Amino acid sequence: AQSVTQLGSHVSVSEGALVLLRCNYSSSVPPYLFWYVQYPNQGLQLLLKYTSAATLVKGINGFEAEFKKSETSFHLTKPSAHMSDAAEYFCAVSDPIYGGSQGNLIFGKGTKLSVKP
Amino acid sequence: EAGVTQSPTHLIKTRGQQVTLRCSPISGHTSVYWYQQALGLGLQFLLWYDEGEERNRGNFPPRFSGRQFPNYSSELNVNALELEDSALYLCASRGLGGGNIQYFGAGTRLSVL
Repeated sequence: AQSVTQLGSHVSVSEGALVLLRCNYSSSVPPYLFWYVQYPNQGLQLLLKYTSAATLVKGINGFEAEFKKSETSFHLTKPSAHMSDAAEYFCAVSDPIYGGSQGNLIFGKGTKLSVKP
Repeated sequence: EAGVTQSPTHLIKTRGQQVTLRCSPISGHTSVYWYQQALGLGLQFLLWYDEGEERNRGNFPPRFSGRQFPNYSSELNVNALELEDSALYLCASRGLGGGNIQYFGAGTRLSVL
């Protein structure tokens, strides 16, 4: 079955430091991949998506992610963390049964990012 | 443009009761998805409705059910509530464009006592 693994349930960085959140997926076909962010007591907001175009994807708020097929990874990065980046981040993949362009999303367990002043 | 709206925001029920959660998708979106976010279990897919039909359901018992109305809004019903049903229930909608981009509402927080 399709799965998504996020390494590290908690990540802490200093303000201004690099943010790196890891995501690995299992898929036998090219996947559609997503990163979402969830602030406390809110729903999910889409940060960026990979849908088999450019392997380096730029999203909102200065985040970007690189699709690496050989490593089955889609890690999220941001060069310089801001206090406002503190939130929980979820990596997700479209269920490949439906070809990726529709169907439910399969989520990783999430990574809570803390940003220290 | 209004986003995905869910009601109510919070709900408190007791074991054995029934509950109905509501979701209005973004205008023009025809697909609605329901997800459960329970403490320690992460985000799990519940149900997918498209054009009024149930297209897929996740690994949940039959007491979780729902429907989609002609205006594409949706209801999630949970019968015979159990303590472990306490969770944030998120609704998402998707338009006809490619890429399976799902837009989420703020969720309904259900507490079962």
